[in-house]
Amino acid sequence: AQTVTQSQPEMSVQEAETVTLSCTYDTSESDYYLFWYKQPPSRQMILVIRQEAYKQQNATENRFSVNFQKAAKSFSLKISDSQLGDAAMYFCAYSEMYSGGGADGLTFGKGTHLIIQP
Amino acid sequence: GAGVSQSPSNKVTEKGKDVELRCDPISGHTALYWYRQSLGQGLEFLIYFQGNSAPDKSGLPSDRFSAERTGGSVSTLTIQRTQQEDSAVYLCASSLNSAHYEQYFGPGTRLTVT
Repeated sequence: AQTVTQSQPEMSVQEAETVTLSCTYDTSESDYYLFWYKQPPSRQMILVIRQEAYKQQNATENRFSVNFQKAAKSFSLKISDSQLGDAAMYFCAYSEMYSGGGADGLTFGKGTHLIIQP
Repeated sequence: GAGVSQSPSNKVTEKGKDVELRCDPISGHTALYWYRQSLGQGLEFLIYFQGNSAPDKSGLPSDRFSAERTGGSVSTLTIQRTQQEDSAVYLCASSLNSAHYEQYFGPGTRLTVT
């Protein structure tokens, strides 16, 4: 079974600074997807960024970028120029590719609570 | 267009009562997923529907849990004889189809069993 580990229960960063959230995972598959989801107090899970394992290039979405190290099974999220609206729980998630990307659901880490200090 | 909607937003029920949680996926999305989010267990995948069919129900926590989907759209998650350990946020998500990896989540239903 796949597992996803987020070793930082909580992180704090000053507004406008950069923060990196860590995620490691375990799988025997070679093709899969990885995601970072954001969950603000409203409970709505919002997809921040995704990475296909077969792509060597790290995904980037505006201020959000990932460092995907396939051999190390590491998938960290970097948030640049942190904003107050970035405060939320961040979840790293894994999905198999050939089961339909979702037939087995997403496997989530326990989450990292990100605090933005004004 | 409208996102995934869930109702009720919050539900408080007495131990032993039955509850029904509803999920309305994004129009045109054929795949639908239920997850449970609790302090102790984190986010757990419960069940997946492709159309009206759920190929694997082994993720449901106990036989008190059941789920159905009719008309390839709305899904209900039913918990019979609720227990305090059922207290959690129940999240629903949908995707275009089972081969599409991007899941869109609803706001969840917070269930409190007293």
